[in-house]
Amino acid sequence: KAGVTQTPRYLIKTRGQQVTLSCSPISGHRSVSWYQQTPGQGLQFLFEYFSETQRNKGNFPGRFSGRQFSNSRSEMNVSTLELGDSALYLCASSFRPTGTGAYEQYFGPGTRLTVT
Amino acid sequence: TQLLEQSPQFLSIQEGENLTVYCNSSSVFSSLQWYRQEPGEGPVLLVTVVTGGEVKKLKRLTFQFGDARKDSSLHITAAQPGDTGLYLCAGARETSGSRLTFGEGTQLTVNP
Repeated sequence: KAGVTQTPRYLIKTRGQQVTLSCSPISGHRSVSWYQQTPGQGLQFLFEYFSETQRNKGNFPGRFSGRQFSNSRSEMNVSTLELGDSALYLCASSFRPTGTGAYEQYFGPGTRLTVT
Repeated sequence: TQLLEQSPQFLSIQEGENLTVYCNSSSVFSSLQWYRQEPGEGPVLLVTVVTGGEVKKLKRLTFQFGDARKDSSLHITAAQPGDTGLYLCAGARETSGSRLTFGEGTQLTVNP
């Protein structure tokens, strides 16, 4: 099976602009989560989508939003970019093996966003 | 508030040495996962533990979930340079879907 793909891999934007990142999950996985990774804060949960519905949301401002399409592909959008939004944005595709009760998450390579 | 405390944050050892990384919390998790991340890539899942007291082995890596499901450890035997990377623990709760709470990570360097 193909892994999780994220596009683009690298982005440079200026303050005030907006950006859209894309994630294609592993085929058959219906849950997609987004995380922000920075050296100071580590990996922070942004939101999770399951069957086109936001199921969980982290503690990020409303400038961060996302959506999921019927084919499970997901996008996240950040509006009015700030310098502090510079980070590695990771998408994770999840499924729950029968009988374990625990989701297994598979991460994409991430999108490195630099805001100048 | 960091719900999962990982220690140590940095570890530099010689090839062949053993090491243990700890992941502690005051909260109970329904499952705990360990990941390894290399520069420029996303984290790669190593193991999932779900039962208190559970021990899982993956070649030279041994993972343990605490009896109370609040802590976990990763032990590497005879470390090799290929083990170098950022090790992350992450906890999940039953009511939180696939949402994970990550520890800060342990940057391991194994010198030849």
